[in-house]
Amino acid sequence: DAGVIQSPRHEVTEMGQEVTLRCKPISGHNSLFWYRQTMMRGLELLIYFNNNVPIDDSGMPEDRFSAKMPNASFSTLKIQPSEPRDSAVYFCASSPLDLGTQYFGPGTRLLVL
Amino acid sequence: AQSVSQHNHHVILSEAASLELGCNYSYGGTVNLFWYVQYPGQHLQLLLKYFSGDPLVKGIKGFEAEFIKSKFSFNLRKPSVQWSDTAEYFCAVMNNAGNMLTFGGGTRLMVKP
Repeated sequence: DAGVIQSPRHEVTEMGQEVTLRCKPISGHNSLFWYRQTMMRGLELLIYFNNNVPIDDSGMPEDRFSAKMPNASFSTLKIQPSEPRDSAVYFCASSPLDLGTQYFGPGTRLLVL
Repeated sequence: AQSVSQHNHHVILSEAASLELGCNYSYGGTVNLFWYVQYPGQHLQLLLKYFSGDPLVKGIKGFEAEFIKSKFSFNLRKPSVQWSDTAEYFCAVMNNAGNMLTFGGGTRLMVKP
């Protein structure tokens, strides 16, 4: 298996623009997680899905952030409009529902100017 | 709510020195415990995990961790570090009610050659 796939790997955009991050989980995994990593705040869980259904989005910073999982093999995290403070590395992870171990993707490094 | 504390934020060691990174969690129920490693510029990878059984868990690359329930601790150890162990190490806890991981703040390890 190719592991968790994220795109793009790097994104540079200007403040106010819409940003869409994409994730393909490992085939057969039931759960998908979006994390944000910054120097100041460390690793934060933004939202997670079980069987394509959002379970907990309490970590989503504000309404500018939204996430969808239209099917078992694809998820998006969208920021609209983006702000400089959104600059971070965004990781997607997936896991088999009952086994706990999460497998992380390579991350998207986002820079908002 | 569960939480994880990693008291050592930065550790600097010389090659061949022994390593112990502290991890304490707060949660009254049964927990699953994890150590992840993030090499520079890379994504998080699982080092080892504890679900049940022998509280001394052996992971990849010579790492081990000991679950001490009475101390709410899951410290990571390695008898002799190498320069290639330079990375950031994250302890994480998951309760049995779901599959959400709560991460500690991470410990940055630098091994001098």
